[in-house]
Amino acid sequence: DAGVIQSPRHEVTEMGQEVTLRCKPISGHDYLFWYRQTMMRGLELLIYFNNNVPIDDSGMPEDRFSAKMPNASFSTLKIQPSEPRDSAVYFCASRGGTSGSRGPETQYFGPGTRLLVL
Amino acid sequence: GQNIDQPTEMTATEGAIVQINCTYQTSGFNGLFWYQQHAGEAPTFLSYNVLDGLEEKGRFSSFLSRSKGYSYLLLKELQMKDSASYLCAVRDRLGYIPTFGRGTSLIVHP
Repeated sequence: DAGVIQSPRHEVTEMGQEVTLRCKPISGHDYLFWYRQTMMRGLELLIYFNNNVPIDDSGMPEDRFSAKMPNASFSTLKIQPSEPRDSAVYFCASRGGTSGSRGPETQYFGPGTRLLVL
Repeated sequence: GQNIDQPTEMTATEGAIVQINCTYQTSGFNGLFWYQQHAGEAPTFLSYNVLDGLEEKGRFSSFLSRSKGYSYLLLKELQMKDSASYLCAVRDRLGYIPTFGRGTSLIVHP
């Protein structure tokens, strides 16, 4: 399996521009997570999906952030308009749910997208 | 909510043993994870504890005491490649998704 795939790996943009991050989870995994990691705040959960349905988006910082999962093999995280404080590494992760969401199944992380907003 | 504390940074010598502690305060408990993250890379799973005691996996072991809200990750026979950040993550009774601590940056020197 290729693992979780994210694109782009690096993104440099100017303040005010729209940014779209993409993720392909591991085939067969029914949970998908979007995280943001910064030195100041560590690894923060933004939103997660179960069977393509958003379950908890309480970590999404504000209305400028939106996420979709149109099918089991693709998700996007969009920032519009972007701001310099959005600069961070954004990770997508997926996991299976064969033991239910309380099981020990681990999350598998993608390589991340390093976003720099100037 | 959850509160997870780890030391920010630790240093150790190649070949030695190091213990990375994690303390947590949660409204309930449903499992604790340790992840390793090398600089510029994604976190990767190391261990999972849900019952008290020690789980051993080769050079790495993880211990849990639920009554004390305490866990540690023990790394033996340290190698230079063990230099990384180690993240403790706790899943509470209500949520199914673990919350991550800020991580401990471990530097292994010759």
